[in-house]
Amino acid sequence: AQKITQTQPGMFVQEKEAVTLDCTYDTSDQSYGLFWYKQPSSGEMIFLIYQGSYDEQNATEGRYSLNFQKARKSANLVISASQLGDSAMYFCAMKNAGKSTFGDGTTLTVKP
Amino acid sequence: GAGVSQSPSNKVTEKGKDVELRCDPISGHTALYWYRQSLGQGLEFLIYFQGNSAPDKSGLPSDRFSAERTGGSVSTLTIQRTQQEDSAVYLCASSLAGRGFLNSPLHFGNGTRLTVT
Repeated sequence: AQKITQTQPGMFVQEKEAVTLDCTYDTSDQSYGLFWYKQPSSGEMIFLIYQGSYDEQNATEGRYSLNFQKARKSANLVISASQLGDSAMYFCAMKNAGKSTFGDGTTLTVKP
Repeated sequence: GAGVSQSPSNKVTEKGKDVELRCDPISGHTALYWYRQSLGQGLEFLIYFQGNSAPDKSGLPSDRFSAERTGGSVSTLTIQRTQQEDSAVYLCASSLAGRGFLNSPLHFGNGTRLTVT
């Protein structure tokens, strides 16, 4: 069975600082995709970044980077230079041959 | 628009009534998912359709819940004899399938907020 674990229900970060949101996963599959989504208070789900299980380089998308450590089965999201608009709930998710599984989310609050 | 469309956006129903929630995925997306999200909580998987394969219904919480997908496109989630604990936001998402499946993100609709009184 697939499982995504996000151990930080809530996180605070000062504006302009970097923050790391943790994600660990469990699967016996060799091929899978890892994703991070952002859900602001408006409720929409926004795709942020993707990492493939065979990718050797960590994914980056603007201020977002994914710290992928395959042996540890972790896929942490790093947000650099936090902005007030980054305040939202963040979900880590995994896709394999079956359904797409989500973690319970981390609520990030950026302080001015 | 080219995004995932869900209707209605809000639904208030009385306990015991049946409701139907509709999802129109992005054209060409053969993978379709339904999730349920309670306020401030994570996404609870309900059901997954992949092309013409039998759907993965392992997340449906009870036999009051059912879903179908007609013609590989539009999907309807039906909740019979609604209960107050069914109140939540129901999210639909679609993605590419086939060779692009694993690296294709889910595209979500705006959800249907269901309130059972």
